[in-house]
Amino acid sequence: DAGVIQSPRHEVTEMGQEVTLRCKPISGHNSLFWYRQTMMRGLELLIYFNNNVPIDDSGMPEDRFSAKMPNASFSTLKIQPSEPRDSAVYFCASSSGQGGYGYTFGSGTRLTVV
Amino acid sequence: AQTVTQSQPEMSVQEAETVTLSCTYDTSESDYYLFWYKQPPSRQMILVIRQEAYKQQNATENRFSVNFQKAAKSFSLKISDSQLGDAAMYFCAYRGLRTPLVFGKGTRLSVIA
Repeated sequence: DAGVIQSPRHEVTEMGQEVTLRCKPISGHNSLFWYRQTMMRGLELLIYFNNNVPIDDSGMPEDRFSAKMPNASFSTLKIQPSEPRDSAVYFCASSSGQGGYGYTFGSGTRLTVV
Repeated sequence: AQTVTQSQPEMSVQEAETVTLSCTYDTSESDYYLFWYKQPPSRQMILVIRQEAYKQQNATENRFSVNFQKAAKSFSLKISDSQLGDAAMYFCAYRGLRTPLVFGKGTRLSVIA
């Protein structure tokens, strides 16, 4: 298995533009998570899905952020409009089952909003 | 809500020596899971070791072992025979039976040749 695949690896965009981050989880994993990593706040959970259904989006910072999982093999995180404070590394992770399973993380997308 | 605290922002160790990274957590649950993740400069998050709270025996993976003290809510990571490739950020993480992973702020480990 190729692991969790995220694209793009790097994204530089201008303030006000729409940004879409993409994630392909590991086949057979039924849970998908979006995390954001910054120096100040560390790793924060933004939203997670079980069986393609959003379970908890309380970590999404503002209405400018939205996430979808149209099928078991694809998810997107969209920021519209983007702001400089959105600059961070965004990770997607997937997992099978509950409890004791660790998550497999993608390589992350480094987003820079100028 | 569960919280994870790593009180050592930075640590250093001589190559071939042993180092221990500290982690404490707060929870009201009795069953849960604890993890240590490694993040090298490549930024890939790599699972190092996991511990089930219902197991008294401390987990071990080659040079990596944990000291799990459930009553004290402490979960430290010991790295033996440190190698240059161990230099990275290390994150302690907690997961409840039905709740997602919560991470500490991390400890940056440097290995001195």
